[in-house]
Amino acid sequence: AQSVAQPEDQVNVAEGNPLTVKCTYSVSGNPYLFWYVQYPNRGLQFLLKYITGDNLVKGSYGFEAEFNKSQTSFHLKKPSALVSDSALYFCAVRDTSRAGNMLTFGGGTRLMVKP
Amino acid sequence: GAGVSQTPSNKVTEKGKYVELRCDPISGHTALYWYRQSLGQGPEFLIYFQGTGAADDSGLPNDRFFAVRPEGSVSTLKIQRTERGDSAVYLCASSEQGYNEQFFGPGTRLTVL
Repeated sequence: AQSVAQPEDQVNVAEGNPLTVKCTYSVSGNPYLFWYVQYPNRGLQFLLKYITGDNLVKGSYGFEAEFNKSQTSFHLKKPSALVSDSALYFCAVRDTSRAGNMLTFGGGTRLMVKP
Repeated sequence: GAGVSQTPSNKVTEKGKYVELRCDPISGHTALYWYRQSLGQGPEFLIYFQGTGAADDSGLPNDRFFAVRPEGSVSTLKIQRTERGDSAVYLCASSEQGYNEQFFGPGTRLTVL
């Protein structure tokens, strides 16, 4: 079965500092990997995805993520955090060896950026 | 452009009642998904439609849950004999094709008293 782990319930960072939100996954086949952000009382917004190709993918709002196959990780990063980045972040995986297109999500990491 | 819309935004019902939750996907998206998000957790997959047919319903928790998409666009998630444990935010998402990113609606918050 596929699974996603986000080991940190919350990440605190000062505005202007770099941020990292961690994600590791487990699948049988090749993974498609996604990051979503959720603001209060709003739906999930797509940030970026890894399907194939370059291990470093760039997404919306200055976010990027690095796919590491040997460590089965897909950590989300941003060079300089903004207070407005404070939100709930979810990592998700699709196992391409399975029929269907369901995403399996991690439990989420709350990012708090302080001025 | 218009995104995924869901109605109602909030639904309060009593234990044992029947509810219907509606999802309007992005126009032209053939794939539609339902997820359930409990408090403090990530979304959990319920069912996936490709066109009018349910291609994968392995996430439905039991036979009280059912979903339809009769014309390949709007979908309705139906819950019979609701239980307090059904309380959650029900999210709908759509995508152009299965492997592309899914675009989520704002969700319906269901509260079963």
